[in-house]
This record gives sequence, C-alpha cells and structure tokens, in this order.
Amino acid sequence: GENVEQHPSTLSVQEGDSAVIKCTYSDSASNYFPWYKQELGKRPQLIIDIRSNVGEKKDQRIAVTLNKTAKHFSLHITETQPEDSAVYFCAATTGTASKLTFGTGTRLQVTL
Amino acid sequence: GAVVSQHPSRVICKSGTSVKIECRSLDFQATTMFWYRQFPKQSLMLMATSNEGSKATYEQGVEKDKFLINHASLTLSTLTVTSAHPEDSSFYICSARDFKVVDTQYFGPGTRLTVL
Repeated sequence: GENVEQHPSTLSVQEGDSAVIKCTYSDSASNYFPWYKQELGKRPQLIIDIRSNVGEKKDQRIAVTLNKTAKHFSLHITETQPEDSAVYFCAATTGTASKLTFGTGTRLQVTL
Repeated sequence: GAVVSQHPSRVICKSGTSVKIECRSLDFQATTMFWYRQFPKQSLMLMATSNEGSKATYEQGVEKDKFLINHASLTLSTLTVTSAHPEDSSFYICSARDFKVVDTQYFGPGTRLTVL
C-alpha cells in the first residue's frame, strides 16, 4: 500500500519567514495530494491540494509543488504569521473511492 | 463549503459499555465516509471506509466486531465502539467525500472518547 513520509516533524520559524514542509510517497499511482492544517483538538482543515497533472499550485501565501518523477511534494508558506502555528499533514491517494494515506505531521510554530 | 458534523463531541463512558458516534454530511451527499482514530501528537490512522448501502472495509488490525460501522443513508454513517476499554480512548474523526467532487474529503469536528 501507499506510504507517505513527512519532514520535518517540528519546524520553528520567525514571523515573516517562509516555511517548507516536504513529503514523499511510494505509490506511483497516487494522483491527488491534499494538505491539511490541524489546530489542537480541532478537525483537519484542507488548505490546498494538487493533482498529478499539475506541477505547482498557489493560493495567496500558500503553494504546493509536485515532482511526480521523484515522488515528492512540498508545502510552502510565505510571510508566516502566528496564526499559521498548527500541525500540518500531507496526504496522498490514488483517487476515486480510495483512502487517504497521511504523513506523520509537522508541528509548525511561528514565533514573534 | 461542504460541512460535516459529528456527534457527540465528547463522551466519557465506563469500561465494557458501548458508544455510538454519528457522522453527518449536512449539505452534500456522501457515498463514501471514512473513520479515523488519532492518538495524542500522532497522525490520523484510517480505521475503515464506509460505503452507503454496503459493508464497511476495515483496515488491517482493526477489529470489525469491535468497531461496528453502519452507513444507512447518503448523509449518515455511525461508528459504534463495543465493549469499550481504556485503550480505546482516543480522538475519533470521520470524513465524507462528496460524490460530485472527486477525491476531496471533508472532516467532521471529531469525538473525544474517554473510557474509564
């Protein structure tokens, strides 16, 4: 089955700096890669996703890149703010009716 | 956006009792719902995939007789933890997939289960 690895497990950046979280996947058939943000005790919130026919996607301060050949994808957050502090999970799926396989999570802390 | 509700948000029960958790898609039809368990400071672990009108598909290591799943309608799936024990204490989260929007899953707010 699919295996998703995520790094780093913790990340501390200063407000205004950029943060990058990286994930690798094992199943070359995976074609949908969402990123979720989870605050303590809350539900995971979808923040951005990318499909395998696209190499990069951007939404304001958040961007995701996908390298299908290397089987890795990354989340980029620019101009970080304290409210960006949370746990971020990457995930992968082969699509239609298939389950999401989650990475182990990255705890991002944005300091003032 | 798509909204998924979950009830109850928090439950405390005695060891040996059963607990039912409901997951509802409020503004869309969900042919598929997923049930996850999340222990503190860990990732979401898929327990089972619930398909409307058919039996759930359980992940390896998840006891189907202990975690009963019913998906009787396009907007409701239930998870029943039978004969709960302290080790079942966890954060249970459901998600639902809108059949019109391929792949995207929307998560419920989760249920914190504490078994005494």
